[in-house]
This record gives sequence, C-alpha cells and structure tokens, in this order.
Amino acid sequence: ILNVEQSPQSLHVQEGDSTNFTCSFPSSNFYALHWYRWETAKSPEALFVMTLNGDEKKKGRISATLNTKEGYSYLYIKGSQPEDSATYLCAFRSDSNYQLIWGAGTKLIIKP
Amino acid sequence: KAGVTQTPRYLIKTRGQQVTLSCSPISGHRSVSWYQQTPGQGLQFLFEYFSETQRNKGNFPGRFSGRQFSNSRSEMNVSTLELGDSALYLCASSPAGGGSYNEQFFGPGTRLTVL
Repeated sequence: ILNVEQSPQSLHVQEGDSTNFTCSFPSSNFYALHWYRWETAKSPEALFVMTLNGDEKKKGRISATLNTKEGYSYLYIKGSQPEDSATYLCAFRSDSNYQLIWGAGTKLIIKP
Repeated sequence: KAGVTQTPRYLIKTRGQQVTLSCSPISGHRSVSWYQQTPGQGLQFLFEYFSETQRNKGNFPGRFSGRQFSNSRSEMNVSTLELGDSALYLCASSPAGGGSYNEQFFGPGTRLTVL
C-alpha cells in the first residue's frame, strides 16, 4: 500500500516569519508530486506539479523542492501572511496506476 | 470559464438509504475523479472516469459506484448508507486522465450526513 506522509500535522507561525513543511512519498515508481492549498470554505487549489528529481518551483512567496531518490518534497513559504493560512496537501502519482495518493495535509495558521 | 460544480451541496440521509451526487466538470475536461474526505484523513480516492470509462478505482466497497456521461458530467452513487459514509465528497476534473501531468480542479464538494 502506497503511503504519503506530511509533517507536521499543524503549524502556528508568526506573521512575517518563514516556514517549511515536508511531504514524504515512496521513492520508487515516481511519476509526479502535486502540491495543493486548501483554504477553509473553499476548494483545494493546485500550487505545483513536480515531475523531475531536483525540480524547484516558485509562485510568489511559495516555493517547493523535490527529491525523488529519497522520496520527499519541501514546501517553503517566505514572509508568511494571514492569507497563507490554509491546509497544504501533497499528492503522489505513481507510474504503475497513475492514481493520486494524498497526504493528510499540514494545517498552517498564521498569527498576526 | 465556469468552474467545477457539484450538486447538491448538502445532504442528510438515514442509514440504509441510497444517495446520488452529481459533478459537472470544467468545459472541455474529460477526466473526473471522486474523493471522500473525513476529519483527520487525507483525501481518499474513490474512482476516476475518463471518456465514460472508469480508469481507476480506490479501495471502497461495492456500495460506492459511479458513472460518466458523454458530456463528461459524472454521478456517484452510494447504496445502503452507513453512518461512516458521512463525509465531504469532492469531485475534481482535469483535461486528461491520470497519465498526464495535469493538475486537478476541484468542485466545492457535497457534505453528506448519514443519521
């Protein structure tokens, strides 16, 4: 059974501070790693799709890195703002059945 | 372009009943996936449809079924409801199926409560 783990489960960060969290996934049969942001009362929205070992993606103050050989991805948020408060989900897609396997998410709360 | 829509948004049923949820994908999207989300759990994959064919199925009992129509709209059916089926059911559409790198676009979800 493929397992995707995210840590920490939740995180309280002071406004203006930078933070990061981890997604761990199987290191074999890698096809793609997705990051999504899910704000309360909204639908999950895609942040990044990462496909190659060593990939780095950036969108504004948010960036992500990928290590497929060891099976982890980091999401970084620089200078956290209240609007960054959300649950951040990662999802692993293997090349065996292409099904997305989701982590349970990291809930980020930004304290003003 | 209109987003993914799901109906109904909220539903209350009793044990033993059956329920049908509907999802209309973004225009031009041919893949629809269904997920169940319960507190403390990640999104649990139910199934994916592409061009009216089920391409992938998660580990859910046979009480959970789905279908996709020629206009890509999809329905999900749960028969003989159990208390544990209470959850948020999300559908997501993408232009192509699981073998692509496409991101998924999610609907607002249907909140199902089973009493």
